[in-house]
Amino acid sequence: LAKTTQPISMDSYEGQEVNITCSHNNIATNDYITWYQQFPSQGPRFIIQGYKTKVTNEVASLFIPADRKSSTLSLPRVSLSDTAVYYCLVSERAHYNQGGKLIFGQGTELSVKP
Amino acid sequence: DAGVIQSPRHEVTEMGQEVTLRCKLISGHNSLFWYRQTMMRGLELLIYFNNNVPIDDSGMPEDRFSAKMPNASFSTLKIQPSEPRDSAVYFCASSLGTSGGQSTDTQYFGPGTRLTVL
Repeated sequence: LAKTTQPISMDSYEGQEVNITCSHNNIATNDYITWYQQFPSQGPRFIIQGYKTKVTNEVASLFIPADRKSSTLSLPRVSLSDTAVYYCLVSERAHYNQGGKLIFGQGTELSVKP
Repeated sequence: DAGVIQSPRHEVTEMGQEVTLRCKLISGHNSLFWYRQTMMRGLELLIYFNNNVPIDDSGMPEDRFSAKMPNASFSTLKIQPSEPRDSAVYFCASSLGTSGGQSTDTQYFGPGTRLTVL
């Protein structure tokens, strides 16, 4: 399983674009990149998933360079309610009983200030 | 849909007591996950079920922990006897889990049960 490295914390202000970069130097061919968001006192929530290039949904964009050794979650115009922990996960697209697992690291604690 | 439902939301018990945590999956989902979250260890996967069958329980700490799925929509996680080091937030999550379930399936988490063992 590819290990991920992401900043422990980040600060931002309302209205700014926030980019959180995750390093996964040992990513394998069958690995996908997934981001989850966790608000205080809640369970994690799926944000976005990608394999390569760029993925965009109504919440965020995910940029993955050609070598796939890193990825960047982009949150446009953040608000106070975006204050949360953001987890970057790399997992093999496989059945759990065949070694595919979703492993959460420590995440990035994003604090959005007024 | 109400999402994943967990009960109780908070549980305070004394060391040595039995604790049972409950989870109701999202209707139509076939995979069920139990996680534990602490400041020191983060979010850890305890056990995973697909179609009511335990697939991977390698994360279960020890024999004091047991999990069951008596039917397709409900699961319990039992700790007997409980110890102070079991204090944590326990999350249940479910996913569609079609074709046996894959690690890339979106998981939907419940609100968690905050367990305190005195």
